[in-house]
Amino acid sequence: AQTVTQSQPEMSVQEAETVTLSCTYDTSESNYYLFWYKQPPSRQMILVIRQEAYKQQNATENRFSVNFQKAAKSFSLKISDSQLGDTAMYFCAFGTQGGSEKLVFGKGTKLTVNP
Amino acid sequence: NAGVTQTPKFQVLKTGQSMTLQCAQDMNHEYMSWYRQDPGMGLRLIHYSVGAGITDQGEVPNGYNVSRSTTEDFPLRLLSAAPSQTSVYFCASSRPTRSSYNEQFFGPGTRLTVL
Repeated sequence: AQTVTQSQPEMSVQEAETVTLSCTYDTSESNYYLFWYKQPPSRQMILVIRQEAYKQQNATENRFSVNFQKAAKSFSLKISDSQLGDTAMYFCAFGTQGGSEKLVFGKGTKLTVNP
Repeated sequence: NAGVTQTPKFQVLKTGQSMTLQCAQDMNHEYMSWYRQDPGMGLRLIHYSVGAGITDQGEVPNGYNVSRSTTEDFPLRLLSAAPSQTSVYFCASSRPTRSSYNEQFFGPGTRLTVL
């Protein structure tokens, strides 16, 4: 069974600075996908970024980028130029190829961006 | 498209009562899933379906029933509510693919309190 671990329950950052959220996972699968979801106070789950395990290049989406270390089973999220609207819970999640109906989530990191 | 819709948004039950959480999607997605979110626990998979007439258990299925008679709807039934089922419930849907991964779209959630 897959497991996803987020070791930072809470983090804070000053507006305009950079913050990195950590995630590690465990799996015996060779083809899989990793995701970061954002959950603002509205409760809506929003996909921030995804990484295919077979791709060596780290995914980027505007101010969001990941550091994917497959051998170490590590998948961290870097948020650059933090904005007040980035304040939210962030969840790391794992999915297998063809298994989009069954995501495994970490426990989440609560990020607060301070003005 | 309305995407994934869930009703009700909030519900209070007494122990032993039954109810059905509704979930519908208008994207013609074959895959649908139910998750529960508890404080400090992330999202955990309750049940999922890969098509009409096909359902299976996730990580935490006890106390819940599902059925999938149409592609659009995937209701979650609590037969005899217990305080341990107090949680926020999310429904999600996605389109299957063999060779890659398709994003799961989440509904807005239902906050359930069992007294």
